[in-house]
Amino acid sequence: QKEVEQDPGPLSVPEGAIVSLNCTYSNSAFQYFMWYRQYSRKGPELLMYTYSSGNKEDGRFTAQVDKSSKYISLFIRDSQPSDSATYLCAMKLTGGGNKLTFGTGTQLKVEL
Amino acid sequence: GAGVSQSPSNKVTEKGKDVELRCDPISGHTALYWYRQSLGQGLEFLIYFQGNSAPDKSGLPSDRFSAERTGGSVSTLTIQRTQQEDSAVYLCASSSGTNQPQHFGDGTRLSIL
Repeated sequence: QKEVEQDPGPLSVPEGAIVSLNCTYSNSAFQYFMWYRQYSRKGPELLMYTYSSGNKEDGRFTAQVDKSSKYISLFIRDSQPSDSATYLCAMKLTGGGNKLTFGTGTQLKVEL
Repeated sequence: GAGVSQSPSNKVTEKGKDVELRCDPISGHTALYWYRQSLGQGLEFLIYFQGNSAPDKSGLPSDRFSAERTGGSVSTLTIQRTQQEDSAVYLCASSSGTNQPQHFGDGTRLSIL
């Protein structure tokens, strides 16, 4: 079993919809949680970076972390065709090595 | 401003050849990371540099892989005697310090014939 599980999709939604993307994890020592967006043949682009539990909002994006359930979410409001990409969740332990552990990514398509 | 720069963007080589991949981090970033992204495995950590030292090399898959960083800036990932299973996108990231966000380059797409 992988440390971080993420549904690969593809997920197809109409323009304007609210999108919910999720990851579950098994290592309770993860403390930092990130969401990256990756367009085809490009590197991952950081969208959200959160520490421990709670919510964080940035424009149309909201990240939620529920450490008790080992579950993180990214919500995208008023989705646009330009949001079509692969979304990767990533996690990091506090201290020690700085490596990120990634989910496999969810492919999102927002259709006109 | 300038982001993480990687070169070459694409590399095709024959099995058994050595390859060098270069990463130029964001100016002032002390931490530098190499990851590998392949279809079957997703994005996997390879090595982490703090300054010119590599405190975590745990992700390097074999002794054919090595990396160095000089002047606290540019890093080179070297793969010796390449194998077909080395085909992947090699991504570099940098951050301003421990527990700071990591920012990625667009990667080097490596194909081994």
